[in-house]
Amino acid sequence: DAKTTQPTSMDCAEGRAANLPCNHSTISGNEYVYWYRQIHSQGPQYIIHGLKNNETNEMASLIITEDRKSSTLILPHATLRDTAVYYCIVRVGNSGYSTLTFGKGTMLLVSP
Amino acid sequence: NAGVMQNPRHLVRRRGQEARLRCSPMKGHSHVYWYRQLPEEGLKFMVYLQKENIIDESGMPKERFSAEFPKEGPSILRIQQVVRGDSAAYFCASSPIGQQNIQYFGAGTRLSVL
Repeated sequence: DAKTTQPTSMDCAEGRAANLPCNHSTISGNEYVYWYRQIHSQGPQYIIHGLKNNETNEMASLIITEDRKSSTLILPHATLRDTAVYYCIVRVGNSGYSTLTFGKGTMLLVSP
Repeated sequence: NAGVMQNPRHLVRRRGQEARLRCSPMKGHSHVYWYRQLPEEGLKFMVYLQKENIIDESGMPKERFSAEFPKEGPSILRIQQVVRGDSAAYFCASSPIGQQNIQYFGAGTRLSVL
C-alpha cells in the first residue's frame, strides 16, 4: 500500500476554509484516496474518497493532483465541531478487500 | 437507519475476568471490523469478519482474544483473562458488500481493567 505523509497539526479560524494536505507519492493506479476523521472520544467517521477526479460531498471537497502524488481535503467553512484528527488513507479499489490502516493523521484545531 | 451499535459503552473488569464486547452492524451490512485504540495511540486493525466467517485476523493477539459474527445476532469480541494492558477503546465498524473501504464506526466500548 502507498504510504501517506500528513502534517502533525494544523490550525484554522472558525468560518475559514481548512485545507489539509496529504502526500502519497508512491500511489499506484488502482489505489483510491480515502479521508476519515476522529473527533475526540468518538469513533472514526468516513468523509470522502476519490481516484483521480476531484470530489465533493456535503462534508468536504477532495482535490487530487493530476499526477496523483498528493491530495488536499477542504472543509469550506470550518466550525468548532470540525476539530478532530484527520486521516488520509490510500487503499486498493473500492470493492476489493483491504484493511484500513490509520496512521497518525493531522490534528486540526478550529478556533473561534 | 440506525448506525453501528456497540455495547456496553463502558466496561470495567478486574484482572483475570472475561470481557465481552458486542457490535450490531448497520442494517444491510454484512462485513464487520474490530479496531483497538490504546490510550494516546492510533487505531489498530484487529479482525475482519463476515457472517459466520473470519476473513482476516492478522491484527488479533494470538492468545486470549477471539471474535465471532454468528448468522443471527451481533458480532462479539471476547477477551479472556484480561490484563491491564487490554485497557483501551475498542471500535467496531461495518460496511456494505462491495464497499469494504467505506466503513461506518460505532461509538466504541471503553474497557478499563483494574
